[in-house]
Amino acid sequence: KAGVTQTPRYLIKTRGQQVTLSCSPISGHRSVSWYQQTPGQGLQFLFEYFSETQRNKGNFPGRFSGRQFSNSRSEMNVSTLELGDSALYLCASNDGTLSGELFFGEGSRLTVL
Amino acid sequence: AQSVSQHNHHVILSEAASLELGCNYSYGGTVNLFWYVQYPGQHLQLLLKYFSGDPLVKGIKGFEAEFIKSKFSFNLRKPSVQWSDTAEYFCALPTGNSGGYQKVTFGTGTKLQVIP
Repeated sequence: KAGVTQTPRYLIKTRGQQVTLSCSPISGHRSVSWYQQTPGQGLQFLFEYFSETQRNKGNFPGRFSGRQFSNSRSEMNVSTLELGDSALYLCASNDGTLSGELFFGEGSRLTVL
Repeated sequence: AQSVSQHNHHVILSEAASLELGCNYSYGGTVNLFWYVQYPGQHLQLLLKYFSGDPLVKGIKGFEAEFIKSKFSFNLRKPSVQWSDTAEYFCALPTGNSGGYQKVTFGTGTKLQVIP
């Protein structure tokens, strides 16, 4: 079956702009979570959605937001971009259980100039 | 609050050498633990997981890990590494909140470089 698909794969923005990233989970997975990956910080949890409800969120400012649609596709938005937002944004889907393996997408690499 | 520590940030080994990557966690609830691997240019994928039962778990490509509750550890091992094991390895701890799932706390990762 098809894996997790993230779009766009690469994007360049300037400070102050906003960006929307998209994630299509594996068919049948109702949980989608987002992570920010940077060389110094590793993977930092942003938020997790299950059946259109945000169940958990990490310690990121309110500029980072997300949503999930009825077909389980998810988007995350970052407003008022800062240089420090440059990172690889990873989306992962699973069956919503603690023992469930996370299936990751290739990521969206955001560069903020 | 939960946390995961990986103390080895960069490990360089020759082929056929044995590997042990450290992972320590801090969490007061039921513990599940994972090791994920990211090969160069590829997405993160599951290497192995501990959910319950036998504390010695075996994963893909000859990797294994042992959950030692008394030491809060889940170290990854492989008796003989290959050049193709060159990758970044992440230890991960999934935890739930009152709303259900789901937050996975990752260690900062260990970059393994295997020299032919």
